[in-house]
Amino acid sequence: ETGVTQTPRHLVMGMTNKKSLKCEQHLGHNAMYWYKQSAKKPLELMFVYNFKEQTENNSVPSRFSPECPNSSHLFLHLHTLQPEDSALYLCASSRGRQNTEAFFGQGTRLTVV
Amino acid sequence: DQQVKQNSPSLSVQEGRISILNCDYTNSMFDYFLWYKKYPAEGPTFLISISSIKDKNEDGRFTVFLNKSAKHLSLHIVPSQPGDSAVYFCAASATGGTSYGKLTFGQGTILTVHP
Repeated sequence: ETGVTQTPRHLVMGMTNKKSLKCEQHLGHNAMYWYKQSAKKPLELMFVYNFKEQTENNSVPSRFSPECPNSSHLFLHLHTLQPEDSALYLCASSRGRQNTEAFFGQGTRLTVV
Repeated sequence: DQQVKQNSPSLSVQEGRISILNCDYTNSMFDYFLWYKKYPAEGPTFLISISSIKDKNEDGRFTVFLNKSAKHLSLHIVPSQPGDSAVYFCAASATGGTSYGKLTFGQGTILTVHP
């Protein structure tokens, strides 16, 4: 059982839909992250939260809106996405900032039609 | 500009032999490096890491070597097993400043270990 759980595992949405991705970590970590993996590209960091505060927004378009209500939960709200936003979205958590590895969830495979 | 590069998209190795996966980086601020393994339909799993104060870290069959002057690291798997077949990602982090655990990833190398 993974310590980081993402739902849903797969999502197909139209360009006018609004949907949310959910991430929950059971590891007692303080930092949570959203990463995006597009086909044949490296994982790209999108957002970083530390102790519920957003510490980094990696120039992500406003159609992606993160929310971190507490240290254990992280959401990614999606609105008016484009087909090129289709990708694997991965949530991760870590204990903190220095010399700690990130633990990843299984990802949500998003397809925008 | 890609700061972490894995120039070999794939590697094929016979079971029992050594697998060597390579990674190069350009940002001299990186001081912590990690290797992740990813199976299809799963998230990346942490494998092994190394701090820039070391040049080698070993964990069972896995050893990571860091050459700071060349900005190069490698992952050695010996002996390789068919279950090691996966995509391997190199990642780097600059632990100073305000970057909370921000990881920069390479493109990944697909390792196939043949029985």
